[in-house]
Amino acid sequence: GAVVSQHPSRVICKSGTSVKIECRSLDFQATTMFWYRQFPKQSLMLMATSNEGSKATYEQGVEKDKFLINHASLTLSTLTVTSAHPEDSSFYICSAAGRGRENIQYFGAGTRLSVL
Amino acid sequence: AQSVSQHNHHVILSEAASLELGCNYSYGGTVNLFWYVQYPGQHLQLLLKYFSGDPLVKGIKGFEAEFIKSKFSFNLRKPSVQWSDTAEYFCAVFNAGGTSYGKLTFGQGTILTVHP
Repeated sequence: GAVVSQHPSRVICKSGTSVKIECRSLDFQATTMFWYRQFPKQSLMLMATSNEGSKATYEQGVEKDKFLINHASLTLSTLTVTSAHPEDSSFYICSAAGRGRENIQYFGAGTRLSVL
Repeated sequence: AQSVSQHNHHVILSEAASLELGCNYSYGGTVNLFWYVQYPGQHLQLLLKYFSGDPLVKGIKGFEAEFIKSKFSFNLRKPSVQWSDTAEYFCAVFNAGGTSYGKLTFGQGTILTVHP
């Protein structure tokens, strides 16, 4: 099956700093990438959808200036948590899908963000 | 808004017991249905999916699920679980039509613990 690599797997940062998370599709062209957030004992919540070469579409309640998403190529999307605060601590998961196949998503292993 | 509900947060079974995990969703339009599994420390993996046709779908590792349209349900079953099935299971529904096309909504997850 298709492989999606997410990096880093874990990051600890100080409050006020920015953190970048990368999501790469290793063996297919991902025209659409998705970013999810998972709180402890809760489900994955979609944060935003990004299509290659265009601006991301954010879900209601997700601050676009806080969570910057870039999808500059067909194999890479990045999520930058700007000026991170302790309440941003969470598990972030990306997924990727090919053109016209948004219903078949391949998931990265996730990034555990801890903001001190 | 679409929602997905999984009936149990934590299920504990002994090896060889039968498994059924409930999943109900609320959305009247066209949907694609999925069950994902997340083993400890690993990424989400697709167990099985339903798009159309035979409502009883078979997936990997002996899992199957039945789509009952009238009940908006997509329950996951396995006749005889193994210790290696210990994982967290997520039901997910993809909007395949309408204004929210392309959104994958997850249930809150069910942790399955199988004792040897």
